[in-house]
Amino acid sequence: GAVVSQHPSRVICKSGTSVKIECRSLDFQATTMFWYRQFPKQSLMLMATSNEGSKATYEQGVEKDKFLINHASLTLSTLTVTSAHPEDSSFYICSARGGKDYGYTFGSGTRLTVV
Amino acid sequence: AQSVTQPDIHITVSEGASLELRCNYSYGATPYLFWYVQSPGQGLQLLLKYFSGDTLVQGIKGFEAEFKRSQSSFNLRKPSVHWSDAAEYFCAVGFTGGGNKLTFGTGTQLKVEL
Repeated sequence: GAVVSQHPSRVICKSGTSVKIECRSLDFQATTMFWYRQFPKQSLMLMATSNEGSKATYEQGVEKDKFLINHASLTLSTLTVTSAHPEDSSFYICSARGGKDYGYTFGSGTRLTVV
Repeated sequence: AQSVTQPDIHITVSEGASLELRCNYSYGATPYLFWYVQSPGQGLQLLLKYFSGDTLVQGIKGFEAEFKRSQSSFNLRKPSVHWSDAAEYFCAVGFTGGGNKLTFGTGTQLKVEL
């Protein structure tokens, strides 16, 4: 079945530094990848949609200069949180769409803590 | 605007009892529908999905869901709940022409009493 690998699973960084999160589709080509943010005990909030080789489409209210998304290949998308601050601490989840049934497969998430 | 509603924030059932989690959506176009389950600190696992065809969909772990267009609903059911089913459940909806985006409900936290 379709598998999406997301790394790292947990990261702690200092305020002002940048953090990169990777999302890879292991056994299928992902035509579209999505990045979500989830606050404790809340639902998933879509941050942006990215298609391979083109610029990401950000949802309203999401700072594109803070959350840099690169979708350089059909199997890899990265989210870089630039100049991170404590309020960026959250659970980030990626999702990839593709595969034989064109379904949506989610990564296992990244817990980001900014100190 | 499109929306997905899961009216029950928390549900507690006894092990072995039946379960129904509600999901209603508001969309103008024909939707495609999903149910996902999330354990603490984990990503989302797909339970089942509906794109077209038979409106009663069978999923993994003994779950099923029925799409009722007239009620704009896609409720999740399981005839006998196991303690391992305790988790957060999310309903999600997308539609053709919606840019492939899914909109998620707020989730239902399921607690199973032994």
